[in-house]
Parts: sequence; C-alpha cells; structure tokens
Amino acid sequence: SAVISQKPSRDICQRGTSLTIQCQVDSQVTMMFWYRQQPGQSLTLIATANQGSEATYESGFVIDKFPISRPNLTFSTLTVSNMSPEDSSIYLCSVGSKNQPQHFGDGTRLSIL
Amino acid sequence: QQQVKQSPQSLIVQKGGISIINCAYENTAFDYFPWYQQFPGKGPALLIAIRPDVSEKKEGRFTISFNKSAKQFSLHIMDSQPGDSATYFCAATLSGAGSYQLTFGKGTKLSVIP
Repeated sequence: SAVISQKPSRDICQRGTSLTIQCQVDSQVTMMFWYRQQPGQSLTLIATANQGSEATYESGFVIDKFPISRPNLTFSTLTVSNMSPEDSSIYLCSVGSKNQPQHFGDGTRLSIL
Repeated sequence: QQQVKQSPQSLIVQKGGISIINCAYENTAFDYFPWYQQFPGKGPALLIAIRPDVSEKKEGRFTISFNKSAKQFSLHIMDSQPGDSATYFCAATLSGAGSYQLTFGKGTKLSVIP
C-alpha cells in the first residue's frame, strides 16, 4: 500500500491563526481525502481533494474555513483557517484508487489555545 | 443520520478469548465494508474488508461475517491478544470502488487483558 506522510505531526496554535497541513504520498493516487477525528470519536470526512479542480466539501465544511489544494497526484494540503479551540482535533489524510481501499496517514494533532 | 451503527462502544476481553464487534447499516447500496484498526497516535489501518457477495472472510485470527438480508456485519477476533488492544472502526462505502466516501461507525475500544 502507499506510504503517506503528513506534516506536521502535531502543533499547538494560537486562536485566530491558520495552519497548513501537508500530505505526501509515495505514489500517484486517484483520490485524496481529508478527515477530522475529534478525541475519542470517529472520523468525519471534510472534503475530497480533486487534482486540478476545486475540492468537494461535505455538509458542514466550507472552503473559506478549510481551503484545500491538490497540485498533483501525490500531494495535497489542508489549511485550517482562523482557528478556534473547537478546531482542536486530529486531521487525517487518506488516499485511494479505483477498486482499492483507502489508506490513512498518521494524522496531525492540532491544539488551539 | 448515522448510516453505520457500531456496537459495543467498548469491550474488555481476556487474553485468548473471542472479541466480537457488530455493525449495522441502512443504505442497501453500500457495496464494500472495511474494518480499520487504530492504535493511539496512529492513523486507522485497514484490517480486513468484505463485499456483500460473500458471507464470510477470514484472514488469520480476524474474520468478517456478513448478513446481507439483515444489513449487518461483524468482526470476530479469535485468540485475542493484548497487542490487539486498539480502537476498531467498521465502515461502508458506495460505488464498488472501495475508496470513495467511507461512512464510519463510531468505533469500539477493545482492551485485551492478560
């Protein structure tokens, strides 16, 4: 399966600032996804990162808050904008291709003070 | 509306015992059902998966049982070991691609005690 690297692995940020999380895959993949996992909770899909076009956001998530880029088939970024304590969470990148299961990175643990 | 219901929320099993986690889904269009295992500080890792055309799939100590008519599937961990202590998530997806729009259950925290 693909090797997925996420940076940073954790961060502590001030309220009102923004953080960009990077997801790098060691091979080209069709689909890249961004999830949020709050402590002790399940995973919630934020958006699907589409190469060469705007990301597809799930209900409750908007581009102004979570802008996503996907410049090529191996890289994507998620920015958490104007952060508040409610944004403290684990942010996970996953990748997949047709007829292949999704595989996840180890996530970015984000705390907002 | 939660589309995949998972139970129990937590489970304590003696070493060597059988761990059983159950999931039920609502959307009959789902056509791929993976299980993920997550250790603290790590991302979810694919454990085993099944499609609805089979009733059971076994990989080592891990078995998925699938009941299409009841819209239920379960994970059985035989001879449970302390190293199996983790959170397990069932999931379901559409399209047959196996990688699009996963819907997760709420997770089961398994503790295997020596």
